[in-house]
Amino acid sequence: GAVVSQHPSWVICKSGTSVKIECRSLDFQATTMFWYRQFPKQSLMLMATSNEGSKATYEQGVEKDKFLINHASLTLSTLTVTSAHPEDSSFYICSARGLGGEVYNEQFFGPGTRLTVL
Amino acid sequence: DAKTTQPPSMDCAEGRAANLPCNHSTISGNEYVYWYRQIHSQGPQYIIHGLKNNETNEMASLIITEDRKSSTLILPHATLRDTAVYYCIVRPQTGANNLFFGTGTRLTVIP
Repeated sequence: GAVVSQHPSWVICKSGTSVKIECRSLDFQATTMFWYRQFPKQSLMLMATSNEGSKATYEQGVEKDKFLINHASLTLSTLTVTSAHPEDSSFYICSARGLGGEVYNEQFFGPGTRLTVL
Repeated sequence: DAKTTQPPSMDCAEGRAANLPCNHSTISGNEYVYWYRQIHSQGPQYIIHGLKNNETNEMASLIITEDRKSSTLILPHATLRDTAVYYCIVRPQTGANNLFFGTGTRLTVIP
């Protein structure tokens, strides 16, 4: 149980295009999902906190108009990187926090999405 | 959230126990100690967590000192697949908290 999936697992795109990454909690409900970014040989850095049905909360230095987050249901959050540039190339990881039961308030991570912008 | 300090890297021989230390001297009374690991190019994987008692599960054991200022994650019989970055994180179990990842310990299991 408590599985989080991400799609796609990797994507290559041209500079200037937009890329959407999906994060799904497969067998539990999550009101809150977190989006992290990880550059090579660095630790995970929180980008934003996504709450179902409301606007995301972005960390300082993260452009909300560039990284669009939509959390339309208790099992799905999406991150759209708009007008991607090579410096946006990174490993994007989501996590979902359980709503209740055995997974209450515990975070479970997706496998990550590697974005490469040419 | 309280800060943690971990050694940047450790080696362990395959089949031996891996003991990964973590200092969290500013931990608050309501904060738990969590351990995650990240295998290369994968998302973090939950290992174990505890408040003040020692904990054991199928993956590892967690030993927390009586004053709760430090802890040790023990992998009893390390395998090559345990090579990963191990993160020690302290956080309250309730509340709207994300997880703050430090630099972790890169464990290399040597054949």
